[in-house]
Amino acid sequence: DGGITQSPKYLFRKEGQNVTLSCEQNLNHDAMYWYRQDPGQGLRLIYYSQIVNDFQKGDIAEGYSVSREKKESFPLTVTSAQKNPTAFYLCASSTVASVSYNSPLHFGNGTRLTVT
Amino acid sequence: QKEVEQNSGPLSVPEGAIASLNCTYSDRGSQSFFWYRQYSGKSPELIMFIYSNGDKEDGRFTAQLNKASQYVSLLIRDSQPSDSATYLCAVNIRIYNQGGKLIFGQGTELSVKP
Repeated sequence: DGGITQSPKYLFRKEGQNVTLSCEQNLNHDAMYWYRQDPGQGLRLIYYSQIVNDFQKGDIAEGYSVSREKKESFPLTVTSAQKNPTAFYLCASSTVASVSYNSPLHFGNGTRLTVT
Repeated sequence: QKEVEQNSGPLSVPEGAIASLNCTYSDRGSQSFFWYRQYSGKSPELIMFIYSNGDKEDGRFTAQLNKASQYVSLLIRDSQPSDSATYLCAVNIRIYNQGGKLIFGQGTELSVKP
């Protein structure tokens, strides 16, 4: 079955530790995205990538880093510099992401990160 | 002005009624518009997408796009309790020299009462 796999589903970390969230897709999509969602709020864009070895900052990139070494994979690292890392993190992909046009996003099931 | 705006709700409608959800956006050049449904604790799932002015119908759902007024809406006919969820509007926003990015509104919580 084609889809997006995020792991783990739940993640607990101590403050000051870096943590990497995994996102893998087998949909052959070019574009991949990371969003963050806080309780009662919409999705905020952290990073996105339209092609391998290239990515752009979203609206809240500070304290996060990504890589896109393979088309299928777009891992997100939450660094100790991120002041409020506890949130629900969603990875998504789409077939097309040009200047004016997006195809629909397919979402993974999310990773719920808790930092204490 | 936020790039994509929705009323947070909650919007409460009786079972069988029409639920109307609205979304406005700032980028006059946006070409792609999406509605997602998100149940509590779950990831968003695509309901509809629309690229052209006018209406697009899919079962009980109708998306309406008015580019001149920069708004997109979602109508749910014959609302059911299972439609109770948060509905997210997403719009492609053009970024100079970076391509486009999909920006979400804060979502409207819909409650359908039996």
